[in-house]
Amino acid sequence: AQKITQTQPGMFVQEKEAVTLDCTYDTSDPSYGLFWYKQPSSGEMIFLIYQGSYDQQNATEGRYSLNFQKARKSANLVISASQLGDSAMYFCAMREGRGGANSKLTFGKGITLSVRP
Amino acid sequence: KAGVTQTPRYLIKTRGQQVTLSCSPISGHRSVSWYQQTPGQGLQFLFEYFSETQRNKGNFPGRFSGRQFSNSRSEMNVSTLELGDSALYLCASSDPTGGPRDTQYFGPGTRLTVL
Repeated sequence: AQKITQTQPGMFVQEKEAVTLDCTYDTSDPSYGLFWYKQPSSGEMIFLIYQGSYDQQNATEGRYSLNFQKARKSANLVISASQLGDSAMYFCAMREGRGGANSKLTFGKGITLSVRP
Repeated sequence: KAGVTQTPRYLIKTRGQQVTLSCSPISGHRSVSWYQQTPGQGLQFLFEYFSETQRNKGNFPGRFSGRQFSNSRSEMNVSTLELGDSALYLCASSDPTGGPRDTQYFGPGTRLTVL
């Protein structure tokens, strides 16, 4: 079974509008971390935001926020005020366990976001 | 701080050859992980090195190997290259203090083409 599911094949958003990118996950480990990365056409993976399974509040980093619904096992990324430079591939990833002894990330297939001027 | 660097950025090899990719982590980071990215399989974990020891390994054949040096720099080697090894190889470093964040920071990748 897939551990990280990103089903939206491609998303389009108008510049300055908000967009939500979906991610669902599957794990039996009570301790895990969820990450979102951005990959522009250049190929580098850029870390955006992190949410821990025990975090009481949804994570926020500038224009990025995470809509974390633990019971539904979803961790959707919300990008507010989209910019042309946000056009890229976005990956949701999970690390099971508390880190330290296990840094392995499991990635979803990714979502292509295109921002229209 | 300088980010993760990978060399070379592009590489073209022929089937049967071997290749070595290099990764220099962020200063102070002791964990280095390698991932393979292909259009068909997406991002797949290869292995992780910490303090010169392989700590985790993905589901790849033995042709894929790696090592880490005392300065935390890491190399990845692929022997007897196959066409299917054509991919973007990404290296990531982290400072696994044991905390839950343990964020991995990625380099720009090495794009390997096997002809």
